Amino acid sequence: AQTVTQSQPEMSVQEAETVTLSCTYDTSESDYYLFWYKQPPSRQMILVIRQEAYKQQNATENRFSVNFQKAAKSFSLKISDSQLGDAAMYFCAYRSGSARQLTFGSGTQLTVLP
Amino acid sequence: GAVVSQHPSWVICKSGTSVKIECRSLDFQATTMFWYRQFPKQSLMLMATSNEGSKATYEQGVEKDKFLINHASLTLSTLTVTSAHPEDSSFYICSVAQGRWGPQPQHFGDGTRLSIL
Repeated sequence: AQTVTQSQPEMSVQEAETVTLSCTYDTSESDYYLFWYKQPPSRQMILVIRQEAYKQQNATENRFSVNFQKAAKSFSLKISDSQLGDAAMYFCAYRSGSARQLTFGSGTQLTVLP
Repeated sequence: GAVVSQHPSWVICKSGTSVKIECRSLDFQATTMFWYRQFPKQSLMLMATSNEGSKATYEQGVEKDKFLINHASLTLSTLTVTSAHPEDSSFYICSVAQGRWGPQPQHFGDGTRLSIL
């Protein structure tokens, strides 16, 4: 079974600075997808960024980018120019290419300091 | 705009009553929907996979007689918590899988906060 590990329960960053959230996963599959979701205090799940395992290029979405290291099974999220609105719980998620279920990590609570 | 509509957003009821939560896919037909449970400051725990026109697939440890799932149409799945008790109090979230394969993400409802007195 696949597992997703987020080793940082809490992180903090100064406004306008850069922060990196870690995520590792364990799988024997070659076809899969990785996601980062954000859950603010409203508890709505918001997709931040996605990565296809077959793509070598790291995904980017404005201030959000990932460092995808397939051999190391690592999928970290970098947030540049952090804003107060970035404060939330961030979940890393894995999906097999042959299934639809998501496997979530335990989450990282990000605090942005003004 | 919202892709998934989930209602109600918050419900408080007495112990022993049954509560129904609706999850609607607004933008596309969904043969598969998912139901999650989330405790405070914890991750989402998959409860069951709802399949249109067939029985739901429950995760290990989830009581299917306690959490009834009905997926009668391509746009609506319902979760009924039967004879709810205080330990059933939690945050329940549904999601819809867009497309059968590929990198399409799951789209989530806004969740339902269930409080059983």
